[in-house]
Amino acid sequence: QKEVEQDPGPLSVPEGAIVSLNCTYSNSAFQYFMWYRQYSRKGPELLMYTYSSGNKEDGRFTAQVDKSSKYISLFIRDSQPSDSATYLCAMKERGQNFVFGPGTRLSVLP
Amino acid sequence: GAVVSQHPSWVICKSGTSVKIECRSLDFQATTMFWYRQFPKQSLMLMATSNEGSKATYEQGVEKDKFLINHASLTLSTLTVTSAHPEDSSFYICSAPTGAETQYFGPGTRLLVL
Repeated sequence: QKEVEQDPGPLSVPEGAIVSLNCTYSNSAFQYFMWYRQYSRKGPELLMYTYSSGNKEDGRFTAQVDKSSKYISLFIRDSQPSDSATYLCAMKERGQNFVFGPGTRLSVLP
Repeated sequence: GAVVSQHPSWVICKSGTSVKIECRSLDFQATTMFWYRQFPKQSLMLMATSNEGSKATYEQGVEKDKFLINHASLTLSTLTVTSAHPEDSSFYICSAPTGAETQYFGPGTRLLVL
């Protein structure tokens, strides 16, 4: 079993839809959780950062962490064609290296 | 957020030559930087951890003599691909962690070896 699992997609949705992106993990020691957005041929851009369990909202983006289920989610409301990218989840223990999911390719169709 | 730059953004070289890629943290100091490699439609693969003032730590399977890393200052790390071959063609991305247990990535360098 991989340490972090993520559906690679591609995921296609119509403009305006609510998008749900998810990652599961096996290491219960992970405490820090991040979502990155990567456009084609660009470096990943930090979208959301969450420590431990709970929700965090920033504009159209909401990150959720459920440590009891070892499951994290990123929701995108009112999705736009400009949201089309690959979304990477990342997580880590304190003092350890980051572990990335393989990424989900999202296409938002106008 | 913090800004990390990379130079060059793309490079084409002949087989057998060496290529140097620079990674800079522009508005913060980074005692550690990470170097990743990414093939098309695949996730990031950590190659090595660059440590200011000491030797880099390489991941299993990454050749130290092939990928030379120098962390010359608190804002600069370099990756040199020595005697490059076509199979070294890839997208190389650096990142630098901040004190908040997260990290910021550079824009990446696309290397094409002919």
